[in-house]
Amino acid sequence: DSGVTQTPKHLITATGQRVTLRCSPRSGDLSVYWYQQSLDQGLQFLIQYYNGEERAKGNILERFSAQQFPDLHSELNLSSLELGDSALYFCASSPRAGVQPQHFGDGTRLSIL
Amino acid sequence: AQKITQTQPGMFVQEKEAVTLDCTYDTSDPSYGLFWYKQPSSGEMIFLIYQGSYDQQNATEGRYSLNFQKARKSANLVISASQLGDSAMYFCAIAGGGNKLTFGTGTQLKVEL
Repeated sequence: DSGVTQTPKHLITATGQRVTLRCSPRSGDLSVYWYQQSLDQGLQFLIQYYNGEERAKGNILERFSAQQFPDLHSELNLSSLELGDSALYFCASSPRAGVQPQHFGDGTRLSIL
Repeated sequence: AQKITQTQPGMFVQEKEAVTLDCTYDTSDPSYGLFWYKQPSSGEMIFLIYQGSYDQQNATEGRYSLNFQKARKSANLVISASQLGDSAMYFCAIAGGGNKLTFGTGTQLKVEL
């Protein structure tokens, strides 16, 4: 158990819909990261938050947005969903923002029908 | 920009034998970290080992060791005394100052009796 909690584990929805993925970091971790794992793109960094502030952005679509709340949990919002958004979405956390190991949650498997 | 290359899509090893998974990297960051993660068929991402670019000694964590050769830009993972439970996909990753991970395409390891 990494200590990072992601909900839900599975999500099935239709094209055009909007979903919210939730992440609770390990106790004491201030930095949260979101990654997408798909068959065609592999594992890709989406976005990082540190203590409530956006820290870095990767290949995140404009239809996607995220935030980190005062209690440090984070949410990833995906809207106007397309078939290609089907993927495993991971949240990871680390104590600080510098180079150090990140511990991953079990992921949310999103299936778009 | 950072890049990870894992040239072995699949590897087989006999139980109790040692195995080396290859990883080469490219980065323009003067300071960086190298990581290995394990992804079993159940899907979760498990942190295995971390090597900082300025660390003088190779990292070890139980049966895992990281063979870091900075001049060759390689960071191979060595698993000693392989077990059936080591069968999984293994990802090498690199992070620069911002700690966003760039992953390789992975190596599928199968441990046989």
